[in-house]
Amino acid sequence: ETGVTQTPRHLVMGMTNKKSLKCEQHLGHNAMYWYKQSAKKPLELMFVYNFKEQTENNSVPSRFSPECPNSSHLFLHLHTLQPEDSALYLCASSLQTLAGGTPRGELFFGEGSRLTVL
Amino acid sequence: GNSVTQMEGPVTLSEEAFLTINCTYTATGYPSLFWYVQYPGEGLQLLLKATKADDKGSNKGFEATYRKETTSFHLEKGSVQVSDSAVYFCALSERGYQKVTFGTGTKLQVIP
Repeated sequence: ETGVTQTPRHLVMGMTNKKSLKCEQHLGHNAMYWYKQSAKKPLELMFVYNFKEQTENNSVPSRFSPECPNSSHLFLHLHTLQPEDSALYLCASSLQTLAGGTPRGELFFGEGSRLTVL
Repeated sequence: GNSVTQMEGPVTLSEEAFLTINCTYTATGYPSLFWYVQYPGEGLQLLLKATKADDKGSNKGFEATYRKETTSFHLEKGSVQVSDSAVYFCALSERGYQKVTFGTGTKLQVIP
C-alpha cells in the first residue's frame, strides 16, 4: 500500500459534468496539497491544507473546489471545467510542526489523477 | 519571487554514461534544495536534498552540491542505468514557508 493514494487514476469528463478527485494519505501527516502538472510547465501549487484548514489558495479558479474533512483525506471537486484544465493532478502530504516552524519541504506524492476535459 | 530553472530535455544517454542535469535557482532567502524523480506512471518522490550552502545530497548513486555562490544545484551520476530513465525535478523551499517551487522537469532516457 502506497503512502499517498489517489483515485481515480484516469478521468474523462465533459465541460458540464461534476466530478471529484480523492486523495488519502496513510503517513500520519498533517498537511496536504494539490498540484497541477501540465506538459513543459513547472508544477503549479493549487491548494494547501494544514491541520484541515486551508492555508493557501494559489489564485485557483472557483471551478476547482477543495475539501479536507480530516488530516488524512483531501478532495478536489470539479465543475464546469475547460479543456485547458486537462492535466495530471497530484496530491501530496507532509509533516509540519504545530508552531508552523521550519518546514522540511519534503513532500510525499500520490501517483496522480490524469484528467481529460472534452 | 522564487524560481527554479532546469535544462530542457530530453537527455538521452547510453548505459554507464556520466549524467549531469543543470539546475539554477532564484530565491530571496536561504532555501533548502531538492531533487525529485518521477518514474513513468508514478508520482514524484524525493531523490536527495541539501539544506545549506556546500552541503552535498546523495542517494542511489546520484549527488548534488548546494552552491550558493553560483545559485546552482546540479544533479550528477557517474554511471547511469536503464532503470534511471525518468523525469527529474529540481525544487526549492524557503525556511518558514510551505511552498515548494519546482522546475519544469528534465526527462532522462537511458538506452542499453
